[in-house]
Amino acid sequence: KAGVTQTPRYLIKTRGQQVTLSCSPISGHRSVSWYQQTPGQGLQFLFEYFSETQRNKGNFPGRFSGRQFSNSRSEMNVSTLELGDSALYLCASSLDGTGEKLFFGSGTQLSVL
Amino acid sequence: DQQVKQNSPSLSVQEGRISILNCDYTNSMFDYFLWYKKYPAEGPTFLISISSIKDKNEDGRFTVFLNKSAKHLSLHIVPSQPGDSAVYFCAASGVGGSQGNLIFGKGTKLSVKP
Repeated sequence: KAGVTQTPRYLIKTRGQQVTLSCSPISGHRSVSWYQQTPGQGLQFLFEYFSETQRNKGNFPGRFSGRQFSNSRSEMNVSTLELGDSALYLCASSLDGTGEKLFFGSGTQLSVL
Repeated sequence: DQQVKQNSPSLSVQEGRISILNCDYTNSMFDYFLWYKKYPAEGPTFLISISSIKDKNEDGRFTVFLNKSAKHLSLHIVPSQPGDSAVYFCAASGVGGSQGNLIFGKGTKLSVKP
């Protein structure tokens, strides 16, 4: 069974640009969550999607958005990039988001210059 | 305000000895706790979990203990092996039960020396 796939693996952008990250969950998983990992803050929850609907949202500005498609694949978008957005962005999938362990992808390392 | 705290950023132990990683939480509504292990350049992988109705869960060399009154949990690794060297994250299920929204600690970097 293929794991969670995130693309691209690395990304370099400049301030003010926007970026789109992609996540393909494990087959059959309908819940996709996104997390931001920085050295100082650990893993912080961005949002969770289930059946194309955002079910939960963390405490991030509106510049961070996401969506989920009918095949459960998900994208997250960050607009007007800031230096502080440099981080590892992790996607995780689970069967239904409740009472299940999350399976994480390897992440997209975003560097904002 | 940090709801899940791992107060030790790093821990170093000798191979064969016990590793004890600690985690404290503030929200008494958390009802499910998990430990994840993360190697560099990889995503976290699930290690072990415990429900709030239990006080201990064991899986091979890994045991998690939960003390609800103290809002404290710990992960014991016995015996520790060099391959256990990684960053360990404690996590709790968010209020409302959706595990898509996990609250993570900042992690503890474990180094197991041969």
